[in-house]
Amino acid sequence: DAKTTQPDSMESTEGETVHLPCSHATISGNEYIYWYRQVPLQGPEYVTHGLQQNTTNSMAFLAIASDRKSSTLILPHVSLRDAAVYHCILSNTGYQNFYFGKGTSLTVIP
Amino acid sequence: ETAVFQTPNYHVTQVGNEVSFNCKQTLGHDTMYWYKQDSKKLLKIMFSYNNKQLIVNETVPRRFSPQSSDKAHLNLRIKSVEPEDSAVYLCASSTKTNSDYTFGSGTRLLVI
Repeated sequence: DAKTTQPDSMESTEGETVHLPCSHATISGNEYIYWYRQVPLQGPEYVTHGLQQNTTNSMAFLAIASDRKSSTLILPHVSLRDAAVYHCILSNTGYQNFYFGKGTSLTVIP
Repeated sequence: ETAVFQTPNYHVTQVGNEVSFNCKQTLGHDTMYWYKQDSKKLLKIMFSYNNKQLIVNETVPRRFSPQSSDKAHLNLRIKSVEPEDSAVYLCASSTKTNSDYTFGSGTRLLVI
């Protein structure tokens, strides 16, 4: 029961900065925005999460719209290792089951 | 190494057989989960356990049963497999804040 909308696929060239959009128009006030990525033969890997403020870590920058109805995961200087399916998920704090949709399949061209 | 460990990585079996998948987490988390990932790569929650207690049981066939000996282990048993059970089964664990939600690498089941 995914509550987010993402493009099916995106393509980028190695070294570029990639912007992965996610729409979550029905987000509720206590829901966090999580981003995970998954490569073949592996489970999903945590990328980042945020509530209202933009966040940054060693993997990515998460830009959250002021009305929280959309967010963008920004991957600076992508490499071939960043090729994966990126999932945008909403979740409250507390024990929650994540609902994954199709995500965005990111292809990185050498 | 602290992580979520799943065994086996792959399993091929025939219709009607019983299979059991193991999951162990060394992260000190108190909640564990089983997900099923189908051929379209969609993940669907099956079960979640908190401190050995079942807290979520989504609508899954009764041939599926989770087994928890302690909060670090959550196994999944399928009593009599069907062809539609072919999928990747992912185990995960977390604490209450969810910021450390961690997945294992999955067990790939093929039913022939």
